[in-house]
Order: sequence, then structure tokens, then C-alpha cells
Amino acid sequence: DQQVKQNSPSLSVQEGRISILNCDYTNSMFDYFLWYKKYPAEGPTFLISISSIKDKNEDGRFTVFLNKSAKHLSLHIVPSQPGDSAVYFCAASAGLYGNKLVFGAGTILRVKS
Amino acid sequence: DTGVSQNPRHKITKRGQNVTFRCDPISEHNRLYWYRQTLGQGPEFLTYFQNEAQLEKSRLLSDRFSAERPKGSFSTLEIQRTEQGDSAMYLCASSLVVTDTQYFGPGTRLTVL
Repeated sequence: DQQVKQNSPSLSVQEGRISILNCDYTNSMFDYFLWYKKYPAEGPTFLISISSIKDKNEDGRFTVFLNKSAKHLSLHIVPSQPGDSAVYFCAASAGLYGNKLVFGAGTILRVKS
Repeated sequence: DTGVSQNPRHKITKRGQNVTFRCDPISEHNRLYWYRQTLGQGPEFLTYFQNEAQLEKSRLLSDRFSAERPKGSFSTLEIQRTEQGDSAMYLCASSLVVTDTQYFGPGTRLTVL
């Protein structure tokens, strides 16, 4: 049972344009959502998060949007840079479950210069 | 702040051998998590500690796996009688109880021959 889904295995974007990565979830108990970035042979690096009481959170070039009714979140990167090329993971947690993270399978982002 | 560290970074072993990995969390982080990641998948939760107490274990954690956090600081993950299916990246993360953001270490890559 995949509770967190990232349906796009990969995304290619031109440098300077917007990258939009999508994530869907099924468990209505999730109340905290995170995006991580991962380079090969490294651990995931925390990017940005959002609580279920909000619908938007912004940090520099990164913005996360949460649509609770649709059980959907997205990560916007503007402007995209070649250094953003990595695998992006969406993750969700529920305080009730000790905040263990449930991850999607990841989306490979390639930013072309 | 030195971040989460894991040792060793790589481990190659023969089937049937025992292996032990170590994780040092960010100082003062009282929650410590272990995850496993296989190729093409997101990290999967294995177990977590709050201080020295192991509060949850995933059904992925068979009887051959054991984790400890004896003094509420570093943690070890031992796999006994390794199998080829244990080959994966083992990730450790830590967080404060009062926040939901987990910070990951670089991981230990296990290869079972």
C-alpha cells in the first residue's frame, strides 16, 4: 500500500524556468509534509516542510503548496539552477505515529543549462 | 553542529556474516530513526528511538535485525546472518521531539555477496 506517491519518475527543465514536482498521499492522518533532495551516494537533505494547518510555505527559491482536500502537494523551484539536479523525495508523517516518515519513490530532476 | 554521522560508509560482506552499523545523531536530538533504501525506492522506516527507548519497529525489521541506543546518544544497527536481500543503503536520521523535521546522515551502503 503506497501511501505517498510521486507519479513522475523524472522531470527535465531549462535553467531559469520553474520546476514543479508533485506528490499525492492517501492517509488522511498525515499532518506534516517534507521535501528532501538527494544526490547519489549521499543521504537525503532536508529542503522545506509544511504543516497541515497551512497551504503554502516559502523559503527562498522553494515553495511548497498543500491541497488537503485533494491530498496533493507540490514543490515549486523558481528559478531552476543546474545545481538543483538531483532526486527529490516527498515525505509525510503523522504525529500519532511517532513522526516516522513515509516516502514517495522520488522524482529525478534534471536542469539543463 | 556536525550533523548526523554514520560509520562505516560502505560495507561489503559475505552472506551469513554479521554486520554492525553506527549512527551518531545531532547532539541534543532525542529521537533517532533508522531507514533502509533500495534502488529506485524512497527510504523505508525500520525503527525509532526516543532517548534510549525503542518505541516502534517496522515489520520490515526481521528477527535478524536488532537496534540499540544504550545511553540515548549514538545507536547501532546489527544484522545477523546477512542475506543478499539485505543489500541496501541504511540511513539514520535524528530530530527533536518538539519538531517534526528529521535530518539524515550520509548512509551506510551494504553489499552482501
